[in-house]
Amino acid sequence: EAGVTQSPTHLIKTRGQQATLRCSPISGHTSVYWYQQALGLGLQFLLWYDEGEERNRGNFPPRFSGRQFPNYSSELNVNALELEDSALYLCASSFRDAKAFFGQGTRLTVV
Amino acid sequence: GDSVTQMEGPVTLSEEAFLTINCTYTATGYPSLFWYVQYPGEGLQLLLKATKADDKGSNKGFEATYRKETTSFHLEKGSVQVSDSAVYFCALSGVSSASKIIFGSGTRLSIRP
Repeated sequence: EAGVTQSPTHLIKTRGQQATLRCSPISGHTSVYWYQQALGLGLQFLLWYDEGEERNRGNFPPRFSGRQFPNYSSELNVNALELEDSALYLCASSFRDAKAFFGQGTRLTVV
Repeated sequence: GDSVTQMEGPVTLSEEAFLTINCTYTATGYPSLFWYVQYPGEGLQLLLKATKADDKGSNKGFEATYRKETTSFHLEKGSVQVSDSAVYFCALSGVSSASKIIFGSGTRLSIRP
């Protein structure tokens, strides 16, 4: 069974640009979570989508947004990139409150 | 709100030493508790879990017991190896926030040969 897949693996953008990160959950999973892991910090919760709707978001500015498609895959968009947005972005999926499975992450570098 | 607190790292041990990484939580109801591991250059992986009080999760020589009376889920291993060097995250889920996973800040573990 395929795990959670994220693309791209690495992404390099310049300050002010937009970044789009993608996540495909495990088949049958309806919830997708996005996390940011910045260097030296723990995981920070970004967004939670379930059944196509945003259920919760963490303490991040509105330029962090996303969506979940009918097939439960998800996109994370970061607008007006700033240097401190450089981080590993992790996607996880689960079915209801069962354990979550994580993707390998997308490493975003803003220069 | 719900939260998870882990011991601050980094933790540096010699090979074959005994490991404990403390984790305590605050939650209403009966959450499921997890330990995730992130090896260098890789994504997070589920290490072990426990879903109710007194359950013991175990995997790869690591163990953690769900202690409701002390709201703890400490990670232990009797003899660590260099290959155990990684960042370990304690997490909870399945409480009132429904499906949201709450992580601790992570503890970096380094094992010396």
